[in-house]
Amino acid sequence: DAKTTQPTSMDCAEGRAANLPCNHSTISGNEYVYWYRQIHSQGPQYIIHGLKNNETNEMASLIITEDRKSSTLILPHATLRDTAVYYCIVRRVLYGQNFVFGPGTRLSVLP
Amino acid sequence: DVKVTQSSRYLVKRTGEKVFLECVQDMDHENMFWYRQDPGLGLRLIYFSYDVKMKEKGDIPEGYSVSREKKERFSLILESASTNQTSMYLCASSQPGQEYEQYFGPGTRLTVT
Repeated sequence: DAKTTQPTSMDCAEGRAANLPCNHSTISGNEYVYWYRQIHSQGPQYIIHGLKNNETNEMASLIITEDRKSSTLILPHATLRDTAVYYCIVRRVLYGQNFVFGPGTRLSVLP
Repeated sequence: DVKVTQSSRYLVKRTGEKVFLECVQDMDHENMFWYRQDPGLGLRLIYFSYDVKMKEKGDIPEGYSVSREKKERFSLILESASTNQTSMYLCASSQPGQEYEQYFGPGTRLTVT
């Protein structure tokens, strides 16, 4: 699986967009980019995933560069409840295999 | 809303005890998973099940067993708890073909003394 690199921590003002970057320069053609987050004392929560096209759902948008070596998760209007650790994971398939979370980015949304 | 519930948030057991961790999901999901989460190691898959009475070993099944007698319930059993099984245990469920979107329970923090 491709290795990912994320900033250790980021701050964002409440109501503003939070842009969380992820580098995955060794990604293979059949590997997807997944984003999960983990709020303190809770289990991980799926956010979004994509292969090469940009994706949007009710929670976030995922922008993947054309060369697929990096991506950005965008929370369009961050709230205090979005304070969490965000994990970028690159895998071919998640079923039945390790869900390897790196250190992730600790996002603090500030009032 | 998918709900995955786990029987306890915190549990303290003694070495050698048999420990049962229960997980229940209410969305009629076929797939269920048990992970443990340890600092620096991420989530590691212990066992998973894609149907009632079916189970598959994950990457670290040693010292654990599972039971899935009903679709909504997946139990993790520590046959004889050891201190190296002190960890956060997370249960998850998903639909077949949507394994990217796993719904996790809140976790059980197990301490074995």
